[in-house]
Amino acid sequence: EPEVTQTPSHQVTQMGQEVILRCVPISNHLYFYWYRQILGQKVEFLVSFYNNEISEKSEIFDDQFSVERPDGSNFTLKIRSTKLEDSAMYFCASSEAQTASGTQYFGPGTRLLVL
Amino acid sequence: AQKVTQAQTEISVVEKEDVTLDCVYETRDTTYYLFWYKQPPSGELVFLIRRNSFDEQNEISGRYSWNFQKSTSSFNFTITASQVVDSAVYFCALRLTGANSKLTFGKGITLSVRP
Repeated sequence: EPEVTQTPSHQVTQMGQEVILRCVPISNHLYFYWYRQILGQKVEFLVSFYNNEISEKSEIFDDQFSVERPDGSNFTLKIRSTKLEDSAMYFCASSEAQTASGTQYFGPGTRLLVL
Repeated sequence: AQKVTQAQTEISVVEKEDVTLDCVYETRDTTYYLFWYKQPPSGELVFLIRRNSFDEQNEISGRYSWNFQKSTSSFNFTITASQVVDSAVYFCALRLTGANSKLTFGKGITLSVRP
């Protein structure tokens, strides 16, 4: 069964460093998302992406964040200068095109720890 | 703006007991989708069910059943004859129509099933 994959599974970084989180969505999906979950809290929407541009972003997704689909398979989230409060689990999700119900399937997550 | 409330934070049951996880949602839209996701201790988000706002029929899948009541804006999830493997955090989520629309999650319910 096709699935969303994410790398790395864990990342530790120093405050102020740049990180890039990578995702490979399900191959026939065209809608991509990033969510984050601070430890013990709910899952929060960051950004949605379609046709090589951002469709919607939350207030969390400030200028320090960017997303990119550099090739036909990868979808990346970059945090330019990490802060302590960026420590969280980051989930990538994808959903089918042309399906109004649009179930989003999630990857296993990248646990980011900013020291 | 949409909102999902999962008033129960933690539930502990003994194996083989039935348990119901409550979910109440708020939206002004008349068409929307409701979801349940499971997050086991390993951390990934596993899709369980999607229900659209036009379909109020209850659904059963093995030991899982869902009760959608539009009149009370509730979408409750019952696990019959619970098992230790059901121990996880369960999230209810709401999504408006539009292929690219974000998921709004509740805070999640931590279910512990004791042997």
